[in-house]
Amino acid sequence: EADIYQTPRYLVIGTGKKITLECSQTMGHDKMYWYQQDPGMELHLIHYSYGVNSTEKGDLSSESTVSRIRTEHFPLTLESARPSHTSQYLCASSSGPPTDTQYFGPGTRLTVL
Amino acid sequence: QKEVEQDPGPLSVPEGAIVSLNCTYSNSAFQYFMWYRQYSRKGPELLMYTYSSGNKEDGRFTAQVDKSSKYISLFIRDSQPSDSATYLCAFPSYSGAGSYQLTFGKGTKLSVIP
Repeated sequence: EADIYQTPRYLVIGTGKKITLECSQTMGHDKMYWYQQDPGMELHLIHYSYGVNSTEKGDLSSESTVSRIRTEHFPLTLESARPSHTSQYLCASSSGPPTDTQYFGPGTRLTVL
Repeated sequence: QKEVEQDPGPLSVPEGAIVSLNCTYSNSAFQYFMWYRQYSRKGPELLMYTYSSGNKEDGRFTAQVDKSSKYISLFIRDSQPSDSATYLCAFPSYSGAGSYQLTFGKGTKLSVIP
């Protein structure tokens, strides 16, 4: 089982609040990812990182930001939550060559009222 | 046309049935093919991985790839209630620096009824 953790698992919050979704992995992986998943829809990559101090935006535009100060930690922040941010957020890390398999955390289900 | 098409189901089958899950893709650059399984309220986990046309078998699961038709399938034999999950096809594409990004299908939700 992959050692990648996300907290909180569920979050209900009001509009305008600042939130940080935590993601940590103990596998020593350099690469980490954030995906957004809505019911019945594809996973969409919103941010990724290839190592400490490296962050990139993914294919899906997102108002969130990320940071990568430590290898094991890749938090995602929303400065001002809106109902349109309601979704499931999945964090993943990958193992590198040859297959670069991605291992996923359990996800954070965010509801913004 | 979307890069990946996957019927979201839901698909409901009796225990012991053979299940066939499918995806089509349009990007000829896809050379690797993955199936992930996602249980309710969990993150996806890699189930099978292949990069060649033909079949790959792992226990009750068989992944089939037809590159000429841009069509991949996952077969589950002797399906069990524990197979009830959403199955997502995924296609890695090289993004540089030894890394791959994944393009996912929408996932097919499978229920195996005892």
